[in-house]
Amino acid sequence: GAVVSQHPSRVICKSGTSVKIECRSLDFQATTMFWYRQFPKQSLMLMATSNEGSKATYEQGVEKDKFLINHASLTLSTLTVTSAHPEDSSFYICSAPLRGRGANYGYTFGSGTRLTVV
Amino acid sequence: AQRVTQPEKLLSVFKGAPVELKCNYSYSGSPELFWYVQYSRQRLQLLLRHISRESIKGFTADLNKGETSFHLKKPFAQEEDSAMYYCALRSHNQGGKLIFGQGTELSVKP
Repeated sequence: GAVVSQHPSRVICKSGTSVKIECRSLDFQATTMFWYRQFPKQSLMLMATSNEGSKATYEQGVEKDKFLINHASLTLSTLTVTSAHPEDSSFYICSAPLRGRGANYGYTFGSGTRLTVV
Repeated sequence: AQRVTQPEKLLSVFKGAPVELKCNYSYSGSPELFWYVQYSRQRLQLLLRHISRESIKGFTADLNKGETSFHLKKPFAQEEDSAMYYCALRSHNQGGKLIFGQGTELSVKP
């Protein structure tokens, strides 16, 4: 089935540095990628929607200069957390909608990236 | 406003007992609803969607537009059902993004 490969699975970085998270669609083209943030045993909060070849759409309250999203190709979307701070520590998940019908309808999720800023 | 509400943060039952995870939604239009499950240390995966009217792993969910609900049910819970369950609503006019409920942790005890 359609899979989104997300890397890294976990990263520890120093405060003030930047971290890039990649999501690659395997076996399908992801024209859209949703980026979520999840706190332990809590809901997924949508941060932004990236579209291939155009600017990302950010949800209210999400700093676009801090969370840079790039969707340069149909198979790759990246989220860069710039000048990371401890409060940015979280679990980040990407998700791509699946077009079509039957088993291919819906969304596929990356395995997530655990970011810890120290 | 588009919203999904899962009132129970934690639901604890014994093996073999019936389970109902509640989900209510707010959406102006024809809703498209999903249930996702997240087992420990695994990625989110689709459990079922209302348009399919399917039963997966013994779970079913019926869309009740009058009560704006999409509760997830299973007649006999198993220990392997222990996981986080998320109800989600697809927004048609914002790129098809999913709006998630807060999630319910289901714990099935032996």
